Amino acid sequence: AQSVTQLDSQVPVFEEAPVELRCNYSSSVSVYLFWYVQYPNQGLQLLLKYLSGSTLVKGINGFEAEFNKSQTSFHLRKPSVHISDTAEYFCAVSDARNNDMRFGAGTRLTVKP
Amino acid sequence: NAGVTQTPKFRVLKTGQSMTLLCAQDMNHEYMYWYRQDPGMGLRLIHYSVGEGTTAKGEVPDGYNVSRLKKQNFLLGLESAAPSQTSVYFCASRATTDTQYFGPGTRLTVL
Repeated sequence: AQSVTQLDSQVPVFEEAPVELRCNYSSSVSVYLFWYVQYPNQGLQLLLKYLSGSTLVKGINGFEAEFNKSQTSFHLRKPSVHISDTAEYFCAVSDARNNDMRFGAGTRLTVKP
Repeated sequence: NAGVTQTPKFRVLKTGQSMTLLCAQDMNHEYMYWYRQDPGMGLRLIHYSVGEGTTAKGEVPDGYNVSRLKKQNFLLGLESAAPSQTSVYFCASRATTDTQYFGPGTRLTVL
């Protein structure tokens, strides 16, 4: 089965600074990759996804991610963060059937003024 | 259009008690999922369903049962609750496309 490793459990940054949240995956088959955001006491909301095609994927709220097959990575980036981006971010991978989605442990992004 | 709803939002059980969590979706989605979320472990798939009347085991199915008698509902049952089942439970659904839509969660505490 596939698996996901989020390399940073917590990332503190100042407002308007750039940020990168790192995600590595392992799988023996073709995969779909996702980033979800979870605000306090809420469910998960999809930020962006990679299914095929262009390796640079743009999502909501100014986030983007790049799929790197050789490095088995799918890092999330934003050039300038806002206080409102403070949340927990989850990277997820699923096989082509998308019935067995595996999540990383999460990265807590804290944006400081 | 309420999306995915979960009932109840909070529950406290004593060890050995049973309960059922209800997930309902009004998007006519075929696929439904139950996850648990624990600190430092992300979300783990408990059971899922690919259509009405079908269920399958996920990554951590032990101690849970599910039923999908109606397309819009997916029930998660705990027959004999244990403290290790203290967690936040999320339901999700999706159509034939790839995106899963999540409910707001149920916070369960087992004493």
